[in-house]
Amino acid sequence: GAVVSQHPSRVICKSGTSVKIECRSLDFQATTMFWYRQFPKQSLMLMATSNEGSKATYEQGVEKDKFLINHASLTLSTLTVTSAHPEDSSFYICSARDPTASDEQFFGPGTRLTVL
Amino acid sequence: QKEVEQDPGPLSVPEGAIVSLNCTYSNSAFQYFMWYRQYSRKGPELLMYTYSSGNKEDGRFTAQVDKSSKYISLFIRDSQPSDSATYLCAMSTGGGNKLTFGTGTQLKVEL
Repeated sequence: GAVVSQHPSRVICKSGTSVKIECRSLDFQATTMFWYRQFPKQSLMLMATSNEGSKATYEQGVEKDKFLINHASLTLSTLTVTSAHPEDSSFYICSARDPTASDEQFFGPGTRLTVL
Repeated sequence: QKEVEQDPGPLSVPEGAIVSLNCTYSNSAFQYFMWYRQYSRKGPELLMYTYSSGNKEDGRFTAQVDKSSKYISLFIRDSQPSDSATYLCAMSTGGGNKLTFGTGTQLKVEL
């Protein structure tokens, strides 16, 4: 199956700093990528839908100025958590939709963010 | 009320048992139904993908969808310790559309 990577796999930062997470589709071109957040023992909550070359669509309650999404190429989307605070500590997972595989979404391995 | 309800467990079964995992949903527009397996600190991996009502079998896994009852199930036969993971149901209104997930059921298969 298709492979999606995320970098970094885990990051620890100080409160107030910004953190960038990368999501790459390694063997297919993804016009659409999704960003999810997962708190411990909870489900994946969709944060935003990222379309290559256009602005991301954010879910209700997700601050677009805090969670900056850029999808500049067909294989790369980035999520930047700006001015991170401890409550932003979570597991961030991206997925990429493969249009050649019945639009199946392939998930990355996730990024564990800890804000001190 | 959440759009998708799933018992979080944990569910503990002996090796070899048949496992039944379930989700209910409220949005009648959902047409595509998926089951994902997620190991601790990893991303979800797709196990089963079904469209509309019916059954689908793949090895030890069987997925059932009953749209009239808004109820989906995943059965695991001859469960193995390696099946221990969190199982998430997910659904969407169209192929490639955003997914709505259940909370996940934590399964432990014991020797």
